[in-house]
Amino acid sequence: KAGVTQTPRYLIKTRGQQVTLSCSPISGHRSVSWYQQTPGQGLQFLFEYFSETQRNKGNFPGRFSGRQFSNSRSEMNVSTLELGDSALYLCASSPNRARTRAFFGQGTRLTVV
Amino acid sequence: DQQVKQNSPSLSVQEGRISILNCDYTNSMFDYFLWYKKYPAEGPTFLISISSIKDKNEDGRFTVFLNKSAKHLSLHIVPSQPGDSAVYFCAAMRHVFQGGSEKLVFGKGTKLTVNP
Repeated sequence: KAGVTQTPRYLIKTRGQQVTLSCSPISGHRSVSWYQQTPGQGLQFLFEYFSETQRNKGNFPGRFSGRQFSNSRSEMNVSTLELGDSALYLCASSPNRARTRAFFGQGTRLTVV
Repeated sequence: DQQVKQNSPSLSVQEGRISILNCDYTNSMFDYFLWYKKYPAEGPTFLISISSIKDKNEDGRFTVFLNKSAKHLSLHIVPSQPGDSAVYFCAAMRHVFQGGSEKLVFGKGTKLTVNP
């Protein structure tokens, strides 16, 4: 069974631009969550999608948004990038919303210059 | 407000000895706890979990202990191996009605170094 796939692995963007990151969950998994990891802050929850609906949202500004498609693939978008958005963005998938075990992808390393 | 705290940013132990990683939480509603291990440039991988109805869960060299009254859990690795060197994240969540759960809340991680 293929794991969680995130694309691209690395990305360099300029301040003010926007970016879209993609996550393909494990086949059959319907819950997808996104996290931001920065040095010293650990993993900060961004949002969770289940059955194409956002179920939970973290404390991030409206520049951060996401969506989930009918095949459970998810994208997150960050508009008007700031230097502080430089981070590792991780996607995790679970079979259902119980999430007793979430499987993570390798992440997308975003650098904003 | 940090609901899950890992107060030791780093820990160094000798190969073959016990590694003890600690985690404290403040939300008494949390009912499920997980530990993840993360190597550089990789996503976190699930290690072990424990439900709040238990106080201990063991899987090979890894044991997690939960002390609900103290809102404290710990991960014991015995014996420690150099390959265990990684960042360890503690995470907590609570289940809600109808099989769902609220978000996973992570600690900031503890970097474990096991010296040969």
